[in-house]
Amino acid sequence: DTEVTQTPKHLVMGMTNKKSLKCEQHMGHRAMYWYKQKAKKPPELMFVYSYEKLSINESVPSRFSPECPNSSLLNLHLHALQPEDSALYLCASSQGPSGRPEAFFGQGTRLTVV
Amino acid sequence: AQSVTQPDIHITVSEGASLELRCNYSYGATPYLFWYVQSPGQGLQLLLKYFSGDTLVQGIKGFEAEFKRSQSSFNLRKPSVHWSDAAEYFCAVGAYDSQAGTALIFGKGTTLSVSS
Repeated sequence: DTEVTQTPKHLVMGMTNKKSLKCEQHMGHRAMYWYKQKAKKPPELMFVYSYEKLSINESVPSRFSPECPNSSLLNLHLHALQPEDSALYLCASSQGPSGRPEAFFGQGTRLTVV
Repeated sequence: AQSVTQPDIHITVSEGASLELRCNYSYGATPYLFWYVQSPGQGLQLLLKYFSGDTLVQGIKGFEAEFKRSQSSFNLRKPSVHWSDAAEYFCAVGAYDSQAGTALIFGKGTTLSVSS
């Protein structure tokens, strides 16, 4: 099973709302990632969690707040977003620093900020 | 710095014809290389990967890719394209970090259209 599950699939939120994106994997992977993908562009790395600790933050604005409650779950908390934050948000997982490097992606959450 | 170049933004291929998508990378050491496919509004599916060893790697859906170190290339091929292969294709290099693991750096992607 190489499944990464993301919820919700679609989300529309106002600029004053607070919402969360969720990601779950049951492959025993120890690294989890958030990517942002704008239309007609490649995915861009936002955050990396390794062994439930934040390892990489690619200078992402503080209105995006990641959280890794346990090794299977990854959340992305959203607050005071801007319309330009509308994008497809992709979660991925891999075995981590001591394992195989290939990453498996979820289907994404399509976020629209109004 | 690591980077990936996909020279072709859009390619149209007739159904049943062969396909080659180009990918060039820049990386200081032996790279981890990947091809992913993305249908509209969907996530990315791993087609194949290269870590080491045999330079010709086989993937899913009848795809293969060849690693050529001298040309810094990792081109994707398929002998006979099906209409269902129409999608966006991303080449990626894995940038390894001892703490974080491997993060992917993607090329800009190639859109494949299949004509009947």
